[in-house]
Order: sequence, then structure tokens, then C-alpha cells
Amino acid sequence: DAGVIQSPRHEVTEMGQEVTLRCKPISGHNSLFWYRQTMMRGLELLIYFNNNVPIDDSGMPEDRFSAKMPNASFSTLKIQPSEPRDSAVYFCASSLAGLSDTQYFGPGTRLTVL
Amino acid sequence: GENVEQHPSTLSVQEGDSAVIKCTYSDSASNYFPWYKQELGKRPQLIIDIRSNVGEKKDQRIAVTLNKTAKHFSLHITETQPEDSAVYFCAASKAFSGGYNKLIFGAGTRLAVHP
Repeated sequence: DAGVIQSPRHEVTEMGQEVTLRCKPISGHNSLFWYRQTMMRGLELLIYFNNNVPIDDSGMPEDRFSAKMPNASFSTLKIQPSEPRDSAVYFCASSLAGLSDTQYFGPGTRLTVL
Repeated sequence: GENVEQHPSTLSVQEGDSAVIKCTYSDSASNYFPWYKQELGKRPQLIIDIRSNVGEKKDQRIAVTLNKTAKHFSLHITETQPEDSAVYFCAASKAFSGGYNKLIFGAGTRLAVHP
């Protein structure tokens, strides 16, 4: 049974470049969450979707960040243009809202912006 | 909004000893409190959770207690083993209309178990 899938696992890019992170939630889950983890700020919720609709994007740091969920099995987090301070591990998580609150995390994408 | 504070930030114990990590939350409407374990370079994984209608829950060597009046909950690990070494995160959430939840995480506790 596949868990949450994220790609790429590692991304190294230069400042100013566009970065796109991808997530496939667990099949049947209807809630999807994007988190950012850094040593300084810990685990921060960026945005979450329910039934493909963005519910709360108050954690998105600024307009350079955007997220989409075009269907129940795919979501993207885009950073344009990227900056060195965006370097972090980005996790995607999914859950089956209404039945269980348990969030299952993907393996994460380690982003380095030079 | 909800705020979750976690203490201590680091904890060092000898193998076989017990470890206790404490969290407080601010929103009295929060009703779900999971604990996640994150090993170095890995994803956070749920190890135990508790809901506000329960005061204590146990699963082998780990247990969680909840005090709704004081708005704090704790993770207890007994007979610690080196493989328990990791960062532990507490979180709190409340179910919104529609059933979806938003977890607010504590800052994490780095537990080191020394042989």
C-alpha cells in the first residue's frame, strides 16, 4: 500500500529559479497539507486542501509561494522566484478528514537554493 | 489561534530510564493531540494520539496523558532504548465544520538515549 509520494526527493537550484514540488496523497484521502521544516522555525503548516479546495493558506510566507491541487491525487507547491532562505525540507501529508485525524507524511523534498 | 509549547527542547537519558515530554496548548476547543517521532533524515511518523474525551492512553512502552482543565498533555516513554533517540513533536487540533483538521505543532524535543 503506497504512502504519500513526493518528488523530487532532493532539489538544488540557484536563486531566482522556479521550483516545483510535487505530491501524491494516499488514495482515498481527502485532505492534503504542505509543511516546511527548518531548524530555526520548526515544522510550519503552509497550506492545506480539503476535497481539492484550499482551506487555509495563511501559512504561505509570501506571494512567491503558490500551491495547487487540480485533482484528488496530485498537488504542487511552487516557488517563483526562489531565494536562499527558502532552503528547507518540504513535507506533504494527507489524511481522511471526517473519519480520522491522522496525518501521514511523505518522505519530504530537501530544497537547497544557492 | 492555537499555540502549542513543548518542553524540554532537549532530553538526555540513560537506557532503561523513563522520559517525559510536556506540551501545553492555548485553544480550549482543541480536541485531538497526536505525537510524532522523527528520526534523523526521515519523515515525522505518528506514534500515539489522544482525544479530549480520554485522559490517558497507553501503547506498550509509550503513554500519553491529557489534562483538559490545565490544557496540557504529556508523552511518557518507559524503559527507553537507543532506538528511541529521535525528535518528538506534539501537536493539537480541533475539528472544523466539514471534519478537516489543522495540526499546530510544538517546536520538538530532541531525545537522546545513551547505552
